[in-house]
Amino acid sequence: DAGITQSPRHKVTETGTPVTLRCHQTENHRYMYWYRQDPGHGLRLIHYSYGVKDTDKGEVSDGYSVSRSKTEDFLLTLESATSSQTSVYFCAISERLAGVTYETQYFGPGTRLLVL
Amino acid sequence: AQSVTQPDIHITVSEGASLELRCNYSYGATPYLFWYVQSPGQGLQLLLKYFSGDTLVQGIKGFEAEFKRSQSSFNLRKPSVHWSDAAEYFCAVDLCREYGNKLVFGAGTILRVKS
Repeated sequence: DAGITQSPRHKVTETGTPVTLRCHQTENHRYMYWYRQDPGHGLRLIHYSYGVKDTDKGEVSDGYSVSRSKTEDFLLTLESATSSQTSVYFCAISERLAGVTYETQYFGPGTRLLVL
Repeated sequence: AQSVTQPDIHITVSEGASLELRCNYSYGATPYLFWYVQSPGQGLQLLLKYFSGDTLVQGIKGFEAEFKRSQSSFNLRKPSVHWSDAAEYFCAVDLCREYGNKLVFGAGTILRVKS
């Protein structure tokens, strides 16, 4: 299994409070991703990172920000949580080998967030 | 827009029966395709992937999938289902490969196995 941990694994918070989720990897992979999983939608990409301090938006980035100050950590922040952000959040990592254009993403165990 | 469709939300099969989970994609270029499985309360585990070459790919746990360009499909199959295969299955297509790969997922198919 890929060395990916997420913290916290479960969190309950109130509307309007800031929340930060952490993804930590021990694989030294360049690429890191944050997804949210909701019934009927599969997983949707929130933000991704292609290197330290290099990040970009995914398809559902509104209300979320990210930071990556070192290779192993990718933080997802909800600046002011809303009930619509109640979801399960997954981190993923990948690496691109030299000479190829494909890679495989490996997923962390997930964080279940409930916003009341 | 690029999309992935899994037409079946739920499928129930008997233990020992064969299984086929459908996946159709909409993508202009040659796709990179994946199947993941998620057991309840767990993360996603890669079952198999297609990048190029042989259109029939083998994965873990006895699963295989066939890429059919003419039908824009990447269906997952298993000849004999075990009770431990009960889970949710996701098909995904690689959207953009310039900076990492950004996957677009289908909505998932929940597999139930009856004894």
